[in-house]
Amino acid sequence: DTAVSQTPKYLVTQMGNDKSIKCEQNLGHDTMYWYKQDSKKFLKIMFSYNNKELIINETVPNRFSPKSPDKAHLNLHINSLELGDSAVYFCASSFGENTEAFFGQGTRLTVV
Amino acid sequence: GQQLNQSPQSMFIQEGEDVSMNCTSSSIFNTWLWYKQDPGEGPVLLIALYKAGELTSNGRLTAQFGITRKDSFLNISASIPSDVGIYFCAGPAFIQGAQKLVFGQGTRLTINP
Repeated sequence: DTAVSQTPKYLVTQMGNDKSIKCEQNLGHDTMYWYKQDSKKFLKIMFSYNNKELIINETVPNRFSPKSPDKAHLNLHINSLELGDSAVYFCASSFGENTEAFFGQGTRLTVV
Repeated sequence: GQQLNQSPQSMFIQEGEDVSMNCTSSSIFNTWLWYKQDPGEGPVLLIALYKAGELTSNGRLTAQFGITRKDSFLNISASIPSDVGIYFCAGPAFIQGAQKLVFGQGTRLTINP
């Protein structure tokens, strides 16, 4: 059974479109995250969501919005996609905010 | 903000060699984590360290939590082809008043058969 699963694995879309990436975890964790990995493989946290509290990294454009329908899901919506949004996006989850995080397999987003 | 610096950024070794990489921070960390990322996959946790001076092994991997709490080391003994990948150190840092996991830049390991 997959612990943290993301869909889709690959996403190619045109500039200006709106797209969503879904994430689900079956580990019973109470905190979920979205990370962005750039072309240099640097992992940077975008959001964390714990018990309905959203912590936003201030450098993330407001075109990005996480939505959590329940504790096991944290989806990422991106409006008006730009070329610079091309990257691999990882969902992760953990117990609390300071413990080991488990990652999904990533979604490679390409904006053309 | 708190940053983690990994070195080396890349390594090219022969199969069977031992590998050593490290991670340093300008501030104290209470936890050090080491992850490995295979191509096309997400990072997978290898070893977690919670106490200064702690030395923990996971098969051929050994990691140590530096006594200053500002560094950590990961060693791989007798490397094999499946060790190829990117190794990341990670630790909790304060971002906007809350603790979040931050990552080093990664060490890319390439093994020549």
